[in-house]
Amino acid sequence: EDKVVQSPLSLVVHEGDTVTLNCSYEVTNFRSLLWYKQEKKAPTFLFMLTSSGIEKKSGRLSSILDKKELFSILNITATQTGDSAVYLCAGYGGATNKLIFGTGTLLAVQP
Amino acid sequence: GAGVSQSPRYKVAKRGQDVALRCDPISGHVSLFWYQQALGQGPEFLTYFQNEAQLDKSGLPSDRFFAERPEGSVSTLKIQRTQQEDSAVYLCASSLTSGGAYEQYFGPGTRLTVT
Repeated sequence: EDKVVQSPLSLVVHEGDTVTLNCSYEVTNFRSLLWYKQEKKAPTFLFMLTSSGIEKKSGRLSSILDKKELFSILNITATQTGDSAVYLCAGYGGATNKLIFGTGTLLAVQP
Repeated sequence: GAGVSQSPRYKVAKRGQDVALRCDPISGHVSLFWYQQALGQGPEFLTYFQNEAQLDKSGLPSDRFFAERPEGSVSTLKIQRTQQEDSAVYLCASSLTSGGAYEQYFGPGTRLTVT
């Protein structure tokens, strides 16, 4: 059965800290891994990763995929209180068209 | 441009009532998905449409759940004889293409509370 596991489940940091969120996956006919940010509303798209070892970057956020180890990380540098949210990781496989989500990592950034 | 919209945003139903949740995808998006998100959990897949065709309904939890997208744009998720375990946020997402690696864009969700 396809599954996506995220760790840690929750994390509390102070502004300015750097955080690393983890995502491991087992998805049949894996094609891509997606990261979303959810703040009490719709998940908003962050990154889609399809190739191993190629870092995607957007401002203070970056992510990379390891297709050999079936793993992805999301890094956030110089965290701000506005980064507080649930970060969701989802795997997409060609066997179906659905995203398989993890339970998310709840990040709280304290001033 | 406009994103995915959903209505109502909040719905309270008494156990046994029928409810209908609406999703307006991004214009021109071929694929439409429904997900159910319980408190503290990630979204779980319910069903998938490619245009008007429902290609996958494997995630619908029971035959009380029914979804349609008759003209390939707006979709409705209907839940008959609601039960307390149906309480959740129902998310709709759309995508420009079908198949392959692609991004899904989510609506704000409908929070259903069954009392």
